[in-house]
Amino acid sequence: KAGVTQTPRYLIKTRGQQVTLSCSPISGHRSVSWYQQTPGQGLQFLFEYFSETQRNKGNFPGRFSGRQFSNSRSEMNVSTLELGDSALYLCASSIPAGNEQFFGPGTRLTVL
Amino acid sequence: GESVGLHLPTLSVQEGDNSIINCAYSNSASDYFIWYKQESGKGPQFIIDIRSNMDKRQGQRVTVLLNKTVKHLSLQIAATQPGDSAVYFCAENAGGTSYGKLTFGQGTILTVHP
Repeated sequence: KAGVTQTPRYLIKTRGQQVTLSCSPISGHRSVSWYQQTPGQGLQFLFEYFSETQRNKGNFPGRFSGRQFSNSRSEMNVSTLELGDSALYLCASSIPAGNEQFFGPGTRLTVL
Repeated sequence: GESVGLHLPTLSVQEGDNSIINCAYSNSASDYFIWYKQESGKGPQFIIDIRSNMDKRQGQRVTVLLNKTVKHLSLQIAATQPGDSAVYFCAENAGGTSYGKLTFGQGTILTVHP
């Protein structure tokens, strides 16, 4: 069974731009969660989608948004990029009801 | 201004030794706990999990212990190998509709010397 895939793997943007990251969950997984990982703050939860609905949200500004499609694929968008948005963005998928989350390799975003 | 990075705890062991990595969690309502291993350039990899109705769970070469009284979690790795070198994270989940939301600890860097 294929794992969680994320595209692109690397991205370089400049301040003020916006970016869209994509995540394809493991087949059959309907929950997709997004995390931001930085050296300063560690791994922080962004949001979770289940059946195309945002079910949980972390403490990030409204510039961070996401969505989920009917095939469970998910995208996250960051608008008006800031230098501090440079991070590894990780996506994880799971079947519902408290099973483990399986992580993708992440998208490394660098904001210049 | 310049951001200060997390100063991760480090554990250095010899190949063949047993390793113990500790984690204090914050939410007394958490009912599901997971240990992840993250190697450089990769996403976190699931190691083992435990629910709050248990205090010990064993896997292959790994054991997780849960002490809810003091909100403490530990991961024991038997016969540690160089391939175990990585950053290890504990994560907690409050359950219910929050199953998709994991709260991660800061991580511990494990280095295994041949």
